[in-house]
Amino acid sequence: NAGVTQTPKFQVLKTGQSMTLQCAQDMNHNSMYWYRQDPGMGLRLIYYSASEGTTDKGEVPNGYNVSRLNKREFSLRLESAAPSQTSVYFCASSEPANTEAFFGQGTRLTVV
Amino acid sequence: QQPVQSPQAVILREGEDAVINCSSSKALYSVHWYRQKHGEAPVFLMILLKGGEQKGHEKISASFNEKKQQSSLYLTASQLSYSGTYFCGTERSSNTGKLIFGQGTTLQVKP
Repeated sequence: NAGVTQTPKFQVLKTGQSMTLQCAQDMNHNSMYWYRQDPGMGLRLIYYSASEGTTDKGEVPNGYNVSRLNKREFSLRLESAAPSQTSVYFCASSEPANTEAFFGQGTRLTVV
Repeated sequence: QQPVQSPQAVILREGEDAVINCSSSKALYSVHWYRQKHGEAPVFLMILLKGGEQKGHEKISASFNEKKQQSSLYLTASQLSYSGTYFCGTERSSNTGKLIFGQGTTLQVKP
């Protein structure tokens, strides 16, 4: 049972490049989330999806887009990366929504 | 609005107790607590729901004062494994799962 799997684990981008962070869960959860974590800032919600086909903005959605491809997968896209998007990105899922969330191992992204 | 955690950091000896506080200026439906070790993903500890229901682990306790919109996490007889950063996440509406996390409290337990 893998839980929540994120790919890649590490990535370096140049300013202006685009990329997609992948997330998949095998726990049949409806709710999925993308967070970013910066030093001293805790975890900040970027986007979340309450179910397949639905997405909604979190605290810091600017510069990101998401796709809930199916119940298992929830991807995060950076269309034009900026140095301010250097962070550790965590994907999480839960079921029902207001219960224990399971986090992936994170993607460490550096934009130069 | 981000909840405020206190203290920001605490150092303990094994066997000592600690309390971590989380305070919000907004009315809350629930408070969630997570622990994160360096370089790892956050791990669930506890949920406290409006109305007093708690869901979590046996060895960790917490309280939720709905009138003050404050929660406290109680770590008793601390062990080396308790070291890490503790985050509270607050939820304003039920069944959304949209958590606003505090900035974290770093706990270090020494032998």
